[in-house]
Amino acid sequence: DTGVSQDPRHKITKRGQNVTFRCDPISEHNRLYWYRQTLGQGPEFLTYFQNEAQLEKSRLLSDRFSAERPKGSFSTLEIQRTEQGDSAMYLCASGFDTFMGNEQFFGPGTRLTVL
Amino acid sequence: DQQVKQNSPSLSVQEGRISILNCDYTNSMFDYFLWYKKYPAEGPTFLISISSIKDKNEDGRFTVFLNKSAKHLSLHIVPSQPGDSAVYFCAARRRYGGSQGNLIFGKGTKLSVKP
Repeated sequence: DTGVSQDPRHKITKRGQNVTFRCDPISEHNRLYWYRQTLGQGPEFLTYFQNEAQLEKSRLLSDRFSAERPKGSFSTLEIQRTEQGDSAMYLCASGFDTFMGNEQFFGPGTRLTVL
Repeated sequence: DQQVKQNSPSLSVQEGRISILNCDYTNSMFDYFLWYKKYPAEGPTFLISISSIKDKNEDGRFTVFLNKSAKHLSLHIVPSQPGDSAVYFCAARRRYGGSQGNLIFGKGTKLSVKP
């Protein structure tokens, strides 16, 4: 396994369009996380899954954002009716969450530009 | 309000010397802390972590120190190398309560190691 992969790496879209990003986690990890990073900030948590269950989604930025993880494998993050403020780097991470640790391993990210 | 703070946006160090990156946190419920390194156009890379039951963890050139009473942690890199030049993020996990397992990041410190 080569690590967490994300597709596409870059996405340019026009305001009002829908976009979907894909994340393939490290296969043995049971948790998958989505973060957003804007310029000059650290990654900001959006949502996460344990296997196929979405355990936290209150941090999704608006109801235009949704995520799925069918069958507990890859995940998708969709943004509907994109706005210019959605322009950011969208990061996916996977890992285990145990009592003693929570290392999360990040993918390369998808850079979204909304024109 | 920011629960994880990295008050130095940048740090410049001579090759071979020690780099010390600092991080403060406000939430006493955090039980696990991590440092990530990020190069431009890449996702964050996990470096080193520490549980709140310890005060020091070492891995090669990297050592993380945790002072719970001061709610402060630091990352020491000895000796610093030009390849260490990157943005370093401090992150924390809150074990119990809402959003279990997601990481809260600081804004990062840009380290420049000069040959």
